[in-house]
Amino acid sequence: EAQVTQNPRYLITVTGKKLTVTCSQNMNHEYMSWYRQDPGLGLRQIYYSMNVEVTDKGDVPEGYKVSRKEKRNFPLILESPSPNQTSLYFCASRVTSGSYEQFFGPGTRLTVL
Amino acid sequence: GNSVTQMEGPVTLSEEAFLTINCTYTATGYPSLFWYVQYPGEGLQLLLKATKADDKGSNKGFEATYRKETTSFHLEKGSVQVSDSAVYFCALRDTGGFKTIFGAGTRLFVKA
Repeated sequence: EAQVTQNPRYLITVTGKKLTVTCSQNMNHEYMSWYRQDPGLGLRQIYYSMNVEVTDKGDVPEGYKVSRKEKRNFPLILESPSPNQTSLYFCASRVTSGSYEQFFGPGTRLTVL
Repeated sequence: GNSVTQMEGPVTLSEEAFLTINCTYTATGYPSLFWYVQYPGEGLQLLLKATKADDKGSNKGFEATYRKETTSFHLEKGSVQVSDSAVYFCALRDTGGFKTIFGAGTRLFVKA
């Protein structure tokens, strides 16, 4: 089954404790992206990657890091989480041409205390 | 910069009512336009899309027409069902193709 998976689905942590949210896709997509969803703000893009070793900032990159060492994986790293990073996070992937339909993971709900 | 504006929700309708969710955009060039739907506890999934002016996207009884002159992409359905209760997001992909900009989302409740 074609899908985007994220782990963990739920995470409660404390300020300053480094964490990583994993994202993996099995559709051989070149493009991958991370979004955060907050009430009244919709989805805002954090980082995106056009291919392996090619990443770029989205609209809200502060406090986040990413890496793209393999085509299928695109982890999101919070080196020192803060309460304002409490949010619902989505990973997505797509091909780089054609319909540009994005396929989303199920989401990771993060709470930073 | 590019932006998407959707009508605020929540929208509450009775089953079989007509649905319109307004969406307008600001963008340079000719962006592609999308509607995504998010059911409770799930990620977003594509509902329909349009890639050029006057295109009509349609799926599952939903429709939206790309109106360049009014920079709009309103979502419509003639008869909603309880199962349509979800959050609907309007989005555009810029002409460079790297970013997708989402609206704030509109929550729809359909009562039996």
